[in-house]
Amino acid sequence: GEDVEQSLFLSVREGDSSVINCTYTDSSSTYLYWYKQEPGAGLQLLTYIFSNMDMKQDQRLTVLLNKKDKHLSLRIADTQTGDSAIYFCAENGQNFVFGPGTRLSVLP
Amino acid sequence: DVKVTQSSRYLVKRTGEKVFLECVQDMDHENMFWYRQDPGLGLRLIYFSYDVKMKEKGDIPEGYSVSREKKERFSLILESASTNQTSMYLCASSLPGGTYEQYFGPGTRLTVT
Repeated sequence: GEDVEQSLFLSVREGDSSVINCTYTDSSSTYLYWYKQEPGAGLQLLTYIFSNMDMKQDQRLTVLLNKKDKHLSLRIADTQTGDSAIYFCAENGQNFVFGPGTRLSVLP
Repeated sequence: DVKVTQSSRYLVKRTGEKVFLECVQDMDHENMFWYRQDPGLGLRLIYFSYDVKMKEKGDIPEGYSVSREKKERFSLILESASTNQTSMYLCASSLPGGTYEQYFGPGTRLTVT
């Protein structure tokens, strides 16, 4: 079946860039998504990329997609303490499948 | 803006009680979902519904049931709550088909004692 994998934890210093990685197995995915979950809250759609693109930039966020390797990444430039959250990768192949989430901790 | 609301943010129930978690969406979405979220396990799909009165089992339906009598409302029922059902429960909705992004409610943190 479909599977989405992410590392569970990432720590960065405030002002540095964060890179959160994700791999997926379903090559039929049309879109790939990044969701953000702040403490005690639901998931919020952060950004998404169409599968025929290899990069999308939105202010401090850059999404890179390597479709051949089925690898997706989210780069957050100038990471701030307010970026501390859990980030979920998701793909919409045969079903909508979420990764386990990466907990990003931003150290002052 | 899509709005998905859940009836409670925090709930404490006793073992054996019947528990109802309610979810309402205001965007006329056909699809609605119930997930539970546990540390290190990510989101696990309990049930979903693609139309009124329709329901499909997700990955972990045991111990749960659902009801969808109206398009905007999807209820999760724990017939006899157990301590291993202590978790964060998230409701989501989306347009029809499996390919559209899901919109989430704020979650209900359920504690069963």
